[in-house]
Amino acid sequence: NAGVTQTPKFQVLKTGQSMTLQCAQDMNHEYMSWYRQDPGMGLRLIHYSVGAGITDQGEVPNGYNVSRSTTEDFPLRLLSAAPSQTSVYFCASSSRGAEAFFGQGTRLTVV
Amino acid sequence: AQSVTQLGSHVSVSEGALVLLRCNYSSSVPPYLFWYVQYPNQGLQLLLKYTSAATLVKGINGFEAEFKKSETSFHLTKPSAHMSDAAEYFCAVSFGNAGNMLTFGGGTRLMVKP
Repeated sequence: NAGVTQTPKFQVLKTGQSMTLQCAQDMNHEYMSWYRQDPGMGLRLIHYSVGAGITDQGEVPNGYNVSRSTTEDFPLRLLSAAPSQTSVYFCASSSRGAEAFFGQGTRLTVV
Repeated sequence: AQSVTQLGSHVSVSEGALVLLRCNYSSSVPPYLFWYVQYPNQGLQLLLKYTSAATLVKGINGFEAEFKKSETSFHLTKPSAHMSDAAEYFCAVSFGNAGNMLTFGGGTRLMVKP
């Protein structure tokens, strides 16, 4: 009964480093997405995917890359980390017309 | 572009009092509307959703929300607050388009006083 699994839960990066946040879901959902949560701003959409091999940009895509090679996995890559990317990142999945299920989040600090 | 406004970033109520968290959206087309709750250091959990059926929607933990098209509102209520209701609450809107992408309000932190 895993749902949406994100790893790692916590990460500290130095400015300029790259890393990948992992997201996996076991509900066979076609839609997956990444959001970042910042105080007072709610959650903002970074990238999303409507199926394997199909991705698109959301509201705040700069500095991030995604790919969707399988239905289950949707990793988020930070190309060159910046302090402005310090945030809590959430992955979500859903089926058409249904509500989104969220992972537990990854708390990222860039120093 | 669609937007969601949650009035009041912090709301404080006494235990047993009415909880009212306000949410307004901007759209000329009825959207899908959601309330999510986030407990400290956790992900978001769905409280309830409106998807064009009944305008009064009942959710988990005694919460309910009423969709009012004329006011473009979807306020969340609970008759009697419990200490365990202390959390952050997010209103979100989707138009059911490909990807079910959500636009969130800024969140309201609910504090419950004993």
